[in-house]
Amino acid sequence: NAGVTQTPKFQVLKTGQSMTLQCAQDMNHNSMYWYRQDPGMGLRLIYYSASEGTTDKGEVPNGYNVSRLNKREFSLRLESAAPSQTSVYFCASSVPVAGTSTDTQYFGPGTRLTVL
Amino acid sequence: RKEVEQDPGPFNVPEGATVAFNCTYSNSASQSFFWYRQDCRKEPKLLMSVYSSGNEDGRFTAQLNRASQYISLLIRDSKLSDSATYLCVVPGEDAGNMLTFGGGTRLMVKP
Repeated sequence: NAGVTQTPKFQVLKTGQSMTLQCAQDMNHNSMYWYRQDPGMGLRLIYYSASEGTTDKGEVPNGYNVSRLNKREFSLRLESAAPSQTSVYFCASSVPVAGTSTDTQYFGPGTRLTVL
Repeated sequence: RKEVEQDPGPFNVPEGATVAFNCTYSNSASQSFFWYRQDCRKEPKLLMSVYSSGNEDGRFTAQLNRASQYISLLIRDSKLSDSATYLCVVPGEDAGNMLTFGGGTRLMVKP
């Protein structure tokens, strides 16, 4: 049981290049998320997917697109990378907490992206 | 008030000390709360969940004060390995199961 996996671990892009960050989970979770984390700041939600076939914008969606390919996989695409997108990107999946309306989230190891 | 607010620290404490962090939140309807631990350059990992007044797990105690809208994390007998950033996490004010993460409190335990 690998949990949440992400590829690549590191990436350097030039301004204007595109790339896709991959995320997969083997815990049979319905919900998946993409966050970015910048120095000194909390995790900020980019996009999420409550179930296979659905995606919704989070707090900072501009410049990103996502695809929920199947229940296991949720990818994040940067169409035209900008230096402001230099960050650490975390994927997460979640399971509902019994008796509450809240989920517990489990994170992948992150992708460190630098845009020059 | 920000949705989730934490003192960024760092808290520098000697081994064996007891240290406590507070976290304030704005969503009075929140029912579940979490503390995550994040080591340098690693992903956040769930440390504790808090659903009622509090929760205890070994050296770690989380307490909830609904009236004042804050949760606290107490670490007793600090170890060098406790050095990390501790993230306070609460349900967001938007609909759904979204969580809002605090900026984290950095703890450094010294020999």
